[in-house]
Formats: sequence, structure tokens, C-alpha cells
Amino acid sequence: NAGVTQTPKFQVLKTGQSMTLQCAQDMNHEYMSWYRQDPGMGLRLIHYSVGAGITDQGEVPNGYNVSRSTTEDFPLRLLSAAPSQTSVYFCASSYSTGGKSPLHFGNGTRLTVT
Amino acid sequence: GQQVMQIPQYQHVQEGEDFTTYCNSSTTLSNIQWYKQRPGGHPVFLIQLVKSGEVKKQKRLTFQFGEAKKNSSLHITATQTTDVGTYFCAGPGDGGSQGNLIFGKGTKLSVKP
Repeated sequence: NAGVTQTPKFQVLKTGQSMTLQCAQDMNHEYMSWYRQDPGMGLRLIHYSVGAGITDQGEVPNGYNVSRSTTEDFPLRLLSAAPSQTSVYFCASSYSTGGKSPLHFGNGTRLTVT
Repeated sequence: GQQVMQIPQYQHVQEGEDFTTYCNSSTTLSNIQWYKQRPGGHPVFLIQLVKSGEVKKQKRLTFQFGEAKKNSSLHITATQTTDVGTYFCAGPGDGGSQGNLIFGKGTKLSVKP
């Protein structure tokens, strides 16, 4: 019962570097999403997907790309890291779309951009 | 745009005291969900409320959904140190957000033994 698996747990990048945060789920959930969490800001939606081949932007999508080639995987790409992207990133999945069912979160990736 | 607001932002209590956090949405919600995040951890789903006026209990935790389905509360009776963490409410966004969950900023609870 792995649930939602995120890698890496920690990452330090220099400004301008690119990287991919990995997210995989084994629950056959159609809906997957990425949130970032900053102090005092709660959880803000970056990108989401309602199924393989379908992605869309959330509240704070700038500087990030996603793709959904399979039901299981939903990687988040930082194109050119900036200090403002220092944050904790959570991947989450749910059985149904539209906020009708609970989100299952991964353990998070703590990213620091210097 | 649609907002989900939580108060208070922080709450410090003595172990054994009660705790309540309140959640208000700018729009009517089809359901509201509550999550708990322990320090250094990830949000974990606690409960979902769907019906107007619904009340659900989980041991010392009582969850309520307002009659107008725009507000909710979480009440913890006789807090314990294991209750420490941040409690988030979340509701589906309006049509423009395709129903993605919008989270409140959370209430951070600390419990002094």
C-alpha cells in the first residue's frame, strides 16, 4: 500500500537550474494535482490532471510544467528555478474529480532555491 | 474569486482545554473536507461533510457543516498533545476552477502539557 509516492524528499537548486519532481500513485486514481505550501499561505494549487493526457493550470502555474502520460505518474517540472519557488511541494490524488472525494497526499518535497 | 477563510490562524491551549477552528466560504459548498497536518508531515484527510446542518463525531473531534453550507467548524474536546498540528478545511471551487479543492490557510494548534 504505497499510496502516493514523491521523490526526492529534499532538493537544493541554484537559480536557473531545472529539475523534475516525481509523483506516482498506485490507487488507480484519475485525479492528480500538485500543491505548494508556503508559511501562512496554506496550500495553493499549481497544476492538476483529471486523467491521462489531460492537464490544466491551477492558481499558481507560472514557472512549472506538468504532463500525464499514464494514470500512475504526474511529474512536475521546474523550468528555470527561482528563489520564489522555495517551498514544500505536495502531490495529491483522489478517486473522483470536482472535489467530491478526499485527497491522498504524498510525503512532500522540500525544495530550496539559492 | 472564491475564498475559503479560517480563523484563528494560531491557537495555543493547555492540555485538557477545548479547541475550535472555524471555516467560512464566500460561496455555497457542495461538501467540505477537513485535513490535519502534523509538524513536518503531509495533510491527512479527516472527514467530509455533505449535508446542510450535518454533524459528525470522531472520538473527541466534532465537525459541523452550516445550514447554508457556507461555513463549518471543528471542535476538539479536552485537547491532548497528540492533537498538535495544523487543521485545514477545504471545499470544491466554483465552476471556473472545475471543482478543485480550495484550502483555507489553516489553524495551527499547539498544546502545552
